[in-house]
Amino acid sequence: SQQGEEDPQALSIQEGENATMNCSYKTSINNLQWYRQNSGRGLVHLILIRSNEREKHSGRLRVTLDTSKKSSSLLITASRAADTASYFCATAALSGGSYIPTFGRGTSLIVHP
Amino acid sequence: GAGVSQSPSNKVTEKGKDVELRCDPISGHTALYWYRQSLGQGLEFLIYFQGNSAPDKSGLPSDRFSAERTGGSVSTLTIQRTQQEDSAVYLCASSFGTGGSYGYTFGSGTRLTVV
Repeated sequence: SQQGEEDPQALSIQEGENATMNCSYKTSINNLQWYRQNSGRGLVHLILIRSNEREKHSGRLRVTLDTSKKSSSLLITASRAADTASYFCATAALSGGSYIPTFGRGTSLIVHP
Repeated sequence: GAGVSQSPSNKVTEKGKDVELRCDPISGHTALYWYRQSLGQGLEFLIYFQGNSAPDKSGLPSDRFSAERTGGSVSTLTIQRTQQEDSAVYLCASSFGTGGSYGYTFGSGTRLTVV
């Protein structure tokens, strides 16, 4: 089963609106990361939040982390058509002595111009 | 190199043939990961290499899949006797160290189509 699950699966908004995506995970983590994927190809790292952090900002991105609820959210403010992509959260869970990054199924975001 | 390089970018093969997919990680990155992504799905972990340690093969779906990493750098994922369900995008990522503290850098993937 997936360690991280994004919600919603799909999100459609107008340019200028804010987009919020959520991620839930199951086991203890040392950090959580958000990635963006265009056209089903390589993922691009957006932001990393450590388990002892509660909120982090990067440009128009804001990430929150609630370790008690095992959840995170990614907020994209003032969205643009170019933000259209799939967004994934990744958690590095300890598995057999190794940290294996696991990804959810992603949120497909469409921003209409 | 500047990024993670994967080749070929696209591969069409006939069912039953063997294929080799290559990943050239960022120089100095000790950890290397292979994932598979079917259309509209998330990333499925396949195999993980860390330095000179034995690889974590727990995600390989069958014994038709194998991977090696030579000299702690380039990795090759081999799929023998390909099946149509092997059709997917195969993604490689590398990182400095383990635990993800420095993020993961992905290649652009190899889109494999088995006909």
